[in-house]
Amino acid sequence: EAQVTQNPRYLITVTGKKLTVTCSQNMNHEYMSWYRQDPGLGLRQIYYSMNVEVTDKGDVPEGYKVSRKEKRNFPLILESPSPNQTSLYFCASSLKRINNEQFFGPGTRLTVL
Amino acid sequence: GQQVMQIPQYQHVQEGEDFTTYCNSSTTLSNIQWYKQRPGGHPVFLIQLVKSGEVKKQKRLTFQFGEAKKNSSLHITATQTTDVGTYFCAGPGYGGSQGNLIFGKGTKLSVKP
Repeated sequence: EAQVTQNPRYLITVTGKKLTVTCSQNMNHEYMSWYRQDPGLGLRQIYYSMNVEVTDKGDVPEGYKVSRKEKRNFPLILESPSPNQTSLYFCASSLKRINNEQFFGPGTRLTVL
Repeated sequence: GQQVMQIPQYQHVQEGEDFTTYCNSSTTLSNIQWYKQRPGGHPVFLIQLVKSGEVKKQKRLTFQFGEAKKNSSLHITATQTTDVGTYFCAGPGYGGSQGNLIFGKGTKLSVKP
């Protein structure tokens, strides 16, 4: 089944403890992206990747890192999480650029205490 | 910076009534996408509009792209309880980036049976 998977789905952590949220797609998509969703603010793009080894900042990249070593995987790294990073995170992928249908993962709800 | 604004933020309708959400961009868009997110779910692609003045229909849903390619609308005829969710529009970021996607804040639709 074609899908985007994220892990973990739920995570409660403490300030400053490094964490990684994994994202994987099995559709051979070139484009992958991370978003955060907060009440009243909609979806905001954190980082995106046009292809392997190519990443770029979205609208809210501060406090996040990403890597794209393989086409299928696009992990989101929080080196030193803070409470303002408590949010619902979505990974998405599309065949090529953003001018294609984006397939979203199920989401990761992160709470930073 | 570039903004994609959506109104209304909330809409409560009686089942059978029509519903419309509007999306306005501060800049001309090369295309616009629409997504639906059910409560507790992830965004799901509905459609992409590319041409000026384009109108597309999906059963009871009608999507329009403005002549100036700066605004768009989604109209649902005779709403059903299955239409409940948040509807987002999204357009490419301005400034040459080919990966930046900007979402409106969404319109949350509730349908009273």
